[in-house]
Amino acid sequence: EPEVTQTPSHQVTQMGQEVILRCVPISNHLYFYWYRQILGQKVEFLVSFYNNEISEKSEIFDDQFSVERPDGSNFTLKIRSTKLEDSAMYFCASSRQGGGEQYFGPGTRLTVT
Amino acid sequence: GENVEQHPSTLSVQEGDSAVIKCTYSDSASNYFPWYKQELGKGPQLIIDIRSNVGEKKDQRIAVTLNKTAKHFSLHITETQPEDSAVYFCAARFRDSGYALNFGKGTSLLVTP
Repeated sequence: EPEVTQTPSHQVTQMGQEVILRCVPISNHLYFYWYRQILGQKVEFLVSFYNNEISEKSEIFDDQFSVERPDGSNFTLKIRSTKLEDSAMYFCASSRQGGGEQYFGPGTRLTVT
Repeated sequence: GENVEQHPSTLSVQEGDSAVIKCTYSDSASNYFPWYKQELGKGPQLIIDIRSNVGEKKDQRIAVTLNKTAKHFSLHITETQPEDSAVYFCAARFRDSGYALNFGKGTSLLVTP
């Protein structure tokens, strides 16, 4: 069964550093998403991406965040200058259609020290 | 802003009993309601979903009911097994949020043998 994969599983970085989180969505899916989950809290939407551009973004997704589909398989989330409060699990998800079921990857745990 | 409330936050049942988790939502135009199961260290796994044009959907031991008038939906797990132990999240897609999912805070279900 096809799955969303994410790398790395755990990333530790110092405050102010740039990080790139990587995702490989399910191959025939066209819509891609990033969500985050701060420890003990609910999953929060960050951004959706379709046809090589951002479809929508939340208030969390400020100028420090960017997304990219650099090739036909990867989907990345970049945080330009990390803050302590960026520490969270970051989940990538994909769906075949815009209103379709979203399938989540296993997540990347980001720890900012 | 629009919100999803989920209850209870923790639920303990004996193996073989039923478990019910309830969610309410604020946007009456919401049209899609998925349920996710999250096991420790893993990403949310879609287990069942329902759209606003149906009132109930069943898949083996899992069912979801939707009451659009009252703006609530529930997850029912029958004949619970220890492997059902996990955190369960409800979510809703709001009219003005595009394809973003808005999650509840989660229910930690423990099924004891």
